[in-house]
Amino acid sequence: RKEVEQDPGPFNVPEGATVAFNCTYSNSASQSFFWYRQDCRKEPKLLMSVYSSGNEDGRFTAQLNRASQYISLLIRDSKLSDSATYLCVVNTPTGNQFYFGTGTSLTVIP
Amino acid sequence: NAGVTQTPKFQVLKTGQSMTLQCAQDMNHNSMYWYRQDPGMGLRLIYYSASEGTTDKGEVPNGYNVSRLNKREFSLRLESAAPSQTSVYFCAGTSGGSGETQYFGPGTRLLVL
Repeated sequence: RKEVEQDPGPFNVPEGATVAFNCTYSNSASQSFFWYRQDCRKEPKLLMSVYSSGNEDGRFTAQLNRASQYISLLIRDSKLSDSATYLCVVNTPTGNQFYFGTGTSLTVIP
Repeated sequence: NAGVTQTPKFQVLKTGQSMTLQCAQDMNHNSMYWYRQDPGMGLRLIYYSASEGTTDKGEVPNGYNVSRLNKREFSLRLESAAPSQTSVYFCAGTSGGSGETQYFGPGTRLLVL
């Protein structure tokens, strides 16, 4: 079983739509969770960390469900500039290593 | 600040050739990482260095060696390149805590013929 699993998509949504991505992780002892964004042929960059209480940054909301071991990302009012691949990342309980999902591709259509 | 830099950006090798990928950071990161990214596979950890002077294997270390030359630099060496090592390689660094953000270099695109 993979450490982190994501639906690869692709998700094609119109501008203004709301879209949600989910990610599951296998190690219940994992402590830290993140969403990264990766544009085509570029390096991944942190979008947001995911906290137990859930957190919001503008149009982006991240949730963590420890009981079910999944993480979600909600994007409201999608913009063309949101088109990218979104990577779910979980670290090991020791904190030394990070496991990446394969990424979910999002295309926002005019 | 340059952040995390990688050289070269592109490289073509023949099977059996060797090369070293260089990574340097000026962000005072304690921990540094080497990943490879292949289509449909996501980023997979090759090696990491939790602190200067230490290195540990990640998920896919076979065929690679690393050197943490000092706090700033972490190199990845392919002693005898194979076509299966064709990939995009990313170096990353963090300050070390489990909740820390990873900062990535721009990547090295390697093609092994």
